Amino acid sequence: NAGVTQTPKFRILKIGQSMTLQCTQDMNHNYMYWYRQDPGMGLKLIYYSVGAGITDKGEVPNGYNVSRSTTEDFPLRLELAAPSQTSVYFCASSQWTPGGQPQHFGDGTRLSIL
Amino acid sequence: TQLLEQSPQFLSIQEGENLTVYCNSSSVFSSLQWYRQEPGEGPVLLVTVVTGGEVKKLKRLTFQFGDARKDSSLHITAAQTGDTGLYLCAGVSKGGATNKLIFGTGTLLAVQP
Repeated sequence: NAGVTQTPKFRILKIGQSMTLQCTQDMNHNYMYWYRQDPGMGLKLIYYSVGAGITDKGEVPNGYNVSRSTTEDFPLRLELAAPSQTSVYFCASSQWTPGGQPQHFGDGTRLSIL
Repeated sequence: TQLLEQSPQFLSIQEGENLTVYCNSSSVFSSLQWYRQEPGEGPVLLVTVVTGGEVKKLKRLTFQFGDARKDSSLHITAAQTGDTGLYLCAGVSKGGATNKLIFGTGTLLAVQP
């Protein structure tokens, strides 16, 4: 079972470069999320989507953009990479809005901005 | 801003010992989830507690939700090396188009053989 798949697993960017972190899920979940995880800081919500064509900002959206053209895919775009965006990025999905249902996470993308 | 503080941040114990991890907030949550994360992987849900005062057991793990739904604890009995990992609590915050998870700062547990 694939679940939530993130690519790439690792990436090094130079300051000012742009890139897209890919996320796809095969569970037909409507809800999808992007988090970043910094050491000792837990996970912070960047953006989320409640269905195809609908996205909204989370706690730390600055410097990022998202799109949701299909139920399966939820890519995260960094336009002008900055050192502060060095982090581990996790994509997650859930069948329903969180409460009793788990969020299913991918294995993360480790991103370094130099 | 809703915050969840976990303590301790890091815990190193011997196999067979007991331990408790705490998750505290000044905010009330509709429910609270506990996740475990292993190196190089995403978090995996262990349990969801919903009712104030609720206690749930998962084999050697016991989870409790505070009466006021502001705090929670995770107790592990007779820890095993397989329990090693990062434990994250996450409060469910209602509002907007979807409920959101507010994650705690995490407790890194190392169980030595």
